[in-house]
Amino acid sequence: AQSVSQHNHHVILSEAASLELGCNYSYGGTVNLFWYVQYPGQHLQLLLKYFSGDPLVKGIKGFEAEFIKSKFSFNLRKPSVQWSDTAEYFCAVNARGADGLTFGKGTHLIIQP
Amino acid sequence: DSGVTQTPKHLITATGQRVTLRCSPRSGDLSVYWYQQSLDQGLQFLIQYYNGEERAKGNILERFSAQQFPDLHSELNLSSLELGDSALYFCASSKGTTGSSYNEQFFGPGTRLTVL
Repeated sequence: AQSVSQHNHHVILSEAASLELGCNYSYGGTVNLFWYVQYPGQHLQLLLKYFSGDPLVKGIKGFEAEFIKSKFSFNLRKPSVQWSDTAEYFCAVNARGADGLTFGKGTHLIIQP
Repeated sequence: DSGVTQTPKHLITATGQRVTLRCSPRSGDLSVYWYQQSLDQGLQFLIQYYNGEERAKGNILERFSAQQFPDLHSELNLSSLELGDSALYFCASSKGTTGSSYNEQFFGPGTRLTVL
């Protein structure tokens, strides 16, 4: 079975700082990878996804992530964060052929103005 | 708004009771997924239905069951409730199911269950 590990449970940054959230997964086969965001009081929204092809994927709101197969990693990045990026961020993996998503425990990101 | 609706938003009940959570998928989506989010376990996949049939099972307890009706809405039934069942229960929907391409899952706002 697959598993997902998010290294940072709480991150506090100032506006305009650069962001990188770590995500590693454990699964020997082919996977689809995702980052979801949950703003306070709102539902989970898809930020970006990787299925195949270019390992550097761009998502909404200026976020991007890089899939490094050799490291089983899919780290989320944003060059300059804004106060509105305050939210919970979840990395998720879906093994090819399976249907449910396996989520990491989430990273609570707080951006200070 | 993702287009996925869930009712009720909040549910408070006692141990040993049974509750039913309801989910209506986005228009045109055939798959419904149920997830449980708790402080200690995080977000866990419970079960998936596709066009009325059970498609995949995750960490769903035997006390829990689900079904998808002909109009594609789904219900998650939780019985013999325990304190540890207190959690946020999310429903998600997608157009199809995995195969050669992935269908993005759209999440509902969740139902917060409190077992006292």
